[in-house]
Amino acid sequence: RKEVEQDPGPFNVPEGATVAFNCTYSNSASQSFFWYRQDCRKEPKLLMSVYSSGNEDGRFTAQLNRASQYISLLIRDSKLSDSATYLCVVNIPRNFNKFYFGSGTKLNVKP
Amino acid sequence: DADVTQTPRNRITKTGKRIMLECSQTKGHDRMYWYRQDPGLGLRLIYYSFDVKDINKGEISDGYSVSRQAQAKFSLSLESAIPNQTALYFCATSQTSGVNNEQFFGPGTRLTVL
Repeated sequence: RKEVEQDPGPFNVPEGATVAFNCTYSNSASQSFFWYRQDCRKEPKLLMSVYSSGNEDGRFTAQLNRASQYISLLIRDSKLSDSATYLCVVNIPRNFNKFYFGSGTKLNVKP
Repeated sequence: DADVTQTPRNRITKTGKRIMLECSQTKGHDRMYWYRQDPGLGLRLIYYSFDVKDINKGEISDGYSVSRQAQAKFSLSLESAIPNQTALYFCATSQTSGVNNEQFFGPGTRLTVL
């Protein structure tokens, strides 16, 4: 079983739409959680960390549900520039502080 | 200037050749990582290092070796390249500990083995 699983998509949405991605993780020892954004053929870049209480950054909201071991990302008022692949990442300190990556969810925002 | 740099950015080589990919960072982080990315498979960990004297295998280390020459430098070698090592390779760094211990990535090296 993969440590982190995501729906690969693609999610095709019109500009202005609200879209949500979910990600599940298998190891209950996971301590830190992140969403990264990756543009085609570029490096992943941190979009936001995910905190237990949930957190918001502009149009982006991240939620963590430890009991069900899933993380979500909500994007409101989608822009064309949001088109990218979104990677869910977890960190397990007691497993040599390794990071585990989902394979990514592709988002296409259409005019 | 970029905090994490990789050289070369692109490389085409032939089966059996020895290849070295280099990574340098100016973030002052102790921890460095090498990943490869293949379509549909996400990032897979090849090797990681927590300081100059520490080297650890990741999930797909066969066919690769690394060297941590200094805190700021971590190189990846393919001793005898084979076509299924064709991939996008990323170096990353992170802090030793702390709440915001996210990883920072280099721009990637696109390697093609013919």
